[in-house]
Amino acid sequence: QKEVEQNSGPLSVPEGAIASLNCTYSDRGSQSFFWYRQYSGKSPELIMFIYSNGDKEDGRFTAQLNKASQYVSLLIRDSQPSDSATYLCAVTGYSGGGADGLTFGKGTHLIIQP
Amino acid sequence: NAGVTQTPKFRILKIGQSMTLQCTQDMNHNYMYWYRQDPGMGLKLIYYSVGAGITDKGEVPNGYNVSRSTTEDFPLRLELAAPSQTSVYFCASRLAGNTGELFFGEGSRLTVL
Repeated sequence: QKEVEQNSGPLSVPEGAIASLNCTYSDRGSQSFFWYRQYSGKSPELIMFIYSNGDKEDGRFTAQLNKASQYVSLLIRDSQPSDSATYLCAVTGYSGGGADGLTFGKGTHLIIQP
Repeated sequence: NAGVTQTPKFRILKIGQSMTLQCTQDMNHNYMYWYRQDPGMGLKLIYYSVGAGITDKGEVPNGYNVSRSTTEDFPLRLELAAPSQTSVYFCASRLAGNTGELFFGEGSRLTVL
């Protein structure tokens, strides 16, 4: 049983600061790692994915992956009130090319304080 | 481009009733999924399909059934609805062989009373 763990929060961050979201996963065979943003009452939308160790940057977002520690993080620079949402970490396995979909964490509720 | 379309968006059922949640995608994606999301929880996989005629159970399949007669459609059937099935249901799809990114429908909010 693959497990993905996240601190549920809420995580409160002042506007303009860096928000740091963390995730650990149990399956060492996991291949790809995703961060989804979900606004209340809406469906998840992809923010970033990463599959190699190290950092991946996209605008204000940076995903970090450490497979040895089974740890994924998302940094949001210059946080804006519009970033207030729940952030879901998800991973895909190796077997079947990940056909059995993504395993999601419970999400971290992020609040950006103006 | 419509993407993934789910119907209905909202539904109230009585205990013991049955219903079908419809899901269709127009992106020619091979893989389709049904997830449920309970308040404050992540998404749990109910069933998935890797192509027409092929379905498999996910983490929480009890009380549900699916079929995949075409590439586009992946309906989820609830038999004998129970209060424990009160949830938000998301259909998702993706191409085979890509990085695994899922494209989600807008969700169907189901309440069983």
